[in-house]
Amino acid sequence: AQTVTQSQPEMSVQEAETVTLSCTYDTSENNYYLFWYKQPPSRQMILVIRQEAYKQQNATENRFSVNFQKAAKSFSLKISDSQLGDTAMYFCAFKTEAQKLVFGQGTRLTINP
Amino acid sequence: NAGVTQTPKFRILKIGQSMTLQCTQDMNHNYMYWYRQDPGMGLKLIYYSVGAGITDKGEVPNGYNVSRSTTEDFPLRLELAAPSQTSVYFCASSSSRRGKETQYFGPGTRLLVL
Repeated sequence: AQTVTQSQPEMSVQEAETVTLSCTYDTSENNYYLFWYKQPPSRQMILVIRQEAYKQQNATENRFSVNFQKAAKSFSLKISDSQLGDTAMYFCAFKTEAQKLVFGQGTRLTINP
Repeated sequence: NAGVTQTPKFRILKIGQSMTLQCTQDMNHNYMYWYRQDPGMGLKLIYYSVGAGITDKGEVPNGYNVSRSTTEDFPLRLELAAPSQTSVYFCASSSSRRGKETQYFGPGTRLLVL
């Protein structure tokens, strides 16, 4: 069975700092997708970034980038120049070949002014 | 384009009551999903559908039923509600086209069973 592990239940940084959230996963599949979702207090699930496993190049979206290490089954999220609006729960998710999403337990990120 | 909509936003049920959570998407997505999120946890898949008339169980299907009669709608039925079903329920949809597999989520339905 596929599993996703986020080892940091909570993190806190100062505004404008860079922060990295960790995620590891376990799968025997070769073709899959990885995602980071943000969940602010409104509870809306918002896609932050996605990565296709067959692409070696790390995905970037403005201040958000990933470090995808396929052999190590690691998928960390880096947030540069963090902003107060980045405060949220962050979930790492793995999409199976059967089109199901498997979520980690989340990391609560707080950006302090 | 409203995306994924869910109703109601919040509901209180008594033990043993039944209800249907509604989910509609206007993106013509083939795939639709129901998740539940317990406090402090990630989302767990309840049921999913790859197209009208086709549904399958996810990780935590007990106590729930679904149907998919149209591409747009994917209602979730709770029979004989139990306190263990107190949770936030999210509906999501995605395309089956390669490169368009991102799941888009509705705003959630908060359910309290007392």
